[in-house]
Amino acid sequence: EPEVTQTPSHQVTQMGQEVILRCVPISNHLYFYWYRQILGQKVEFLVSFYNNEISEKSEIFDDQFSVERPDGSNFTLKIRSTKLEDSAMYFCASSSSGRYQETQYFGPGTRLLVL
Amino acid sequence: AQTVTQSQPEMSVQEAETVTLSCTYDTSESDYYLFWYKQPPSRQMILVIRQEAYKQQNATENRFSVNFQKAAKSFSLKISDSQLGDAAMYFCAEGFSSNTGKLIFGQGTTLQVKP
Repeated sequence: EPEVTQTPSHQVTQMGQEVILRCVPISNHLYFYWYRQILGQKVEFLVSFYNNEISEKSEIFDDQFSVERPDGSNFTLKIRSTKLEDSAMYFCASSSSGRYQETQYFGPGTRLLVL
Repeated sequence: AQTVTQSQPEMSVQEAETVTLSCTYDTSESDYYLFWYKQPPSRQMILVIRQEAYKQQNATENRFSVNFQKAAKSFSLKISDSQLGDAAMYFCAEGFSSNTGKLIFGQGTTLQVKP
């Protein structure tokens, strides 16, 4: 069964450093998403991406964040200058369509720890 | 703003018994979708069941069923014949018939299954 994969599974970084979280969505999917989950809290939407541009972003997704689909398979989330409060689990998801809420398939997550 | 509320931080159930997890939502949209996702200790979120708001019939997937009360904006998940593998965090989520695919999640309910 096809699945969404994410690398790395864990990332430890120093405050102020740049991090890139990588995702490989399901191959025939066209819509891509990033969510985050601060420990013990709810899962929060960050951004949705379609046709090489952002469809929607949340208030959390400020200028420090960017997303990119550098090739036909990867989807990345970059945090330019990490803050302590960026420590969280980051989930990538993909779906075949954004309309009518086609099922989103989630990756296993990347746990980011900012020191 | 759309919100999803899960008022039960933790629930427990005896193996083979039935448990119901509660969820309420607050939306002004007329066309929306509701989901239950399971997040086991491995952290990967898995779709359990989905409900289209325009459908009156409650969705069912094997041992999992929902009680969708549209007027009350309530969407509870019933797990029958609970199994040890059902132990996980369960998230209720809402999506909309737009082309961005954003999901809004509740706070989650941790389900413990006792042998």
